[in-house]
Amino acid sequence: KNQVEQSPQSLIILEGKNCTLQCNYTVSPFSNLRWYKQDTGRGPVSLTIMTFSENTKSNGRYTATLDADTKQSSLHITASQLSDSASYICVVRTFNAGGTSYGKLTFGQGTILTVHP
Amino acid sequence: DGGITQSPKYLFRKEGQNVTLSCEQNLNHDAMYWYRQDPGQGLRLIYYSQIVNDFQKGDIAEGYSVSREKKESFPLTVTSAQKNPTAFYLCASSPPAGGREKLFFGSGTQLSVL
Repeated sequence: KNQVEQSPQSLIILEGKNCTLQCNYTVSPFSNLRWYKQDTGRGPVSLTIMTFSENTKSNGRYTATLDADTKQSSLHITASQLSDSASYICVVRTFNAGGTSYGKLTFGQGTILTVHP
Repeated sequence: DGGITQSPKYLFRKEGQNVTLSCEQNLNHDAMYWYRQDPGQGLRLIYYSQIVNDFQKGDIAEGYSVSREKKESFPLTVTSAQKNPTAFYLCASSPPAGGREKLFFGSGTQLSVL
């Protein structure tokens, strides 16, 4: 069964500190992995996408890594800000069995990050 | 501004009642989706549509119905057959499929049962 597990479930840090969120998946065949940020009461917004050949990708203070061999990804947030308080969702896409473009998405349950002043 | 608009923000359903959630997009996207979000769980796909006048069941379609009469609109009806409808509902759209496309989400509708 395709699964995406995120850890920790929730995390509290002080403003200015760094943190790392984890995503482990068993999705196969793997196409890509995307991280979304979801503010409370809003829809998720894409932060970055990782494909099989990409190990690290940065988007401002966010850096995502992917180890396709161990099927693990991480999202590192540097110098956290109050506005980083949100749920971070890991989403993995499979290849469509027929080779066409639409692959199934499997969503993790999210990590709730709270940044305190 | 381009985007996806969901309405209403909050909706209450009485027992035995059907309710319809609205989703409109002006991004000119072909594909549209409905997801259900419950606390502590990943988003689950209810229905999706890749083209006007066509839609497919997702993983949890029972008790829901949709229509896609216009490219811009993809309303979701929560029927009385859905016995546990309380959840946060998210509508999304995506550009033409290429395998890397990201989802653009609306702001969601919180549905509660009275």
